[in-house]
Amino acid sequence: ETGVTQTPRHLVMGMTNKKSLKCEQHLGHNAMYWYKQSAKKPLELMFVYNFKEQTENNSVPSRFSPECPNSSHLFLHLHTLQPEDSALYLCASSQELWAPETQYFGPGTRLLVL
Amino acid sequence: DQQVKQNSPSLSVQEGRISILNCDYTNSMFDYFLWYKKYPAEGPTFLISISSIKDKNEDGRFTVFLNKSAKHLSLHIVPSQPGDSAVYFCAASAGGPVGAGSYQLTFGKGTKLSVIP
Repeated sequence: ETGVTQTPRHLVMGMTNKKSLKCEQHLGHNAMYWYKQSAKKPLELMFVYNFKEQTENNSVPSRFSPECPNSSHLFLHLHTLQPEDSALYLCASSQELWAPETQYFGPGTRLLVL
Repeated sequence: DQQVKQNSPSLSVQEGRISILNCDYTNSMFDYFLWYKKYPAEGPTFLISISSIKDKNEDGRFTVFLNKSAKHLSLHIVPSQPGDSAVYFCAASAGGPVGAGSYQLTFGKGTKLSVIP
């Protein structure tokens, strides 16, 4: 596969569940990002990793826990979520940190919290 | 408070005509602006950008205009084609195309463009 892939594409979970979102990039990029897009809201940056090190945490609640074991993989661990966390979660990567023109996005995981 | 606003949630245009998508911003520190295009079930893809030192940037059928005094930018697509039907996001940053520090993107909510054959 090429580009940025995300699994699962759709996820339904209860408020007491624990689940993880996975992102993988096959582009040799060094920076990876998690974004959230809620209904009727703009895309919001959640976390940024550069060379596996977290560089940004945009005041995201601790029920969202990112993990970046290597430059190609990014996870978002979810636990005790709330219904308002239902959203599209997008992963992106770029060759250098920020570099918005070369930021490639995955197709997203559509999450529904019941 | 939204710093990047796309006030038109949707726009319909006849094939062959011009599509004009608008974007307003409030943060005067923004100096780099981008447009992304998103098809259903896919992630956004970069389309075109403009730096605040310019007022126009053109790439084929796509032109972005920047009016700094009005804090307004627009994306012109001419001629519009059915394949242009997608959601278009305007985004802004305060750090230029590449730089050190936190130059995260601030996005608008998007405008859904439908090009009618």
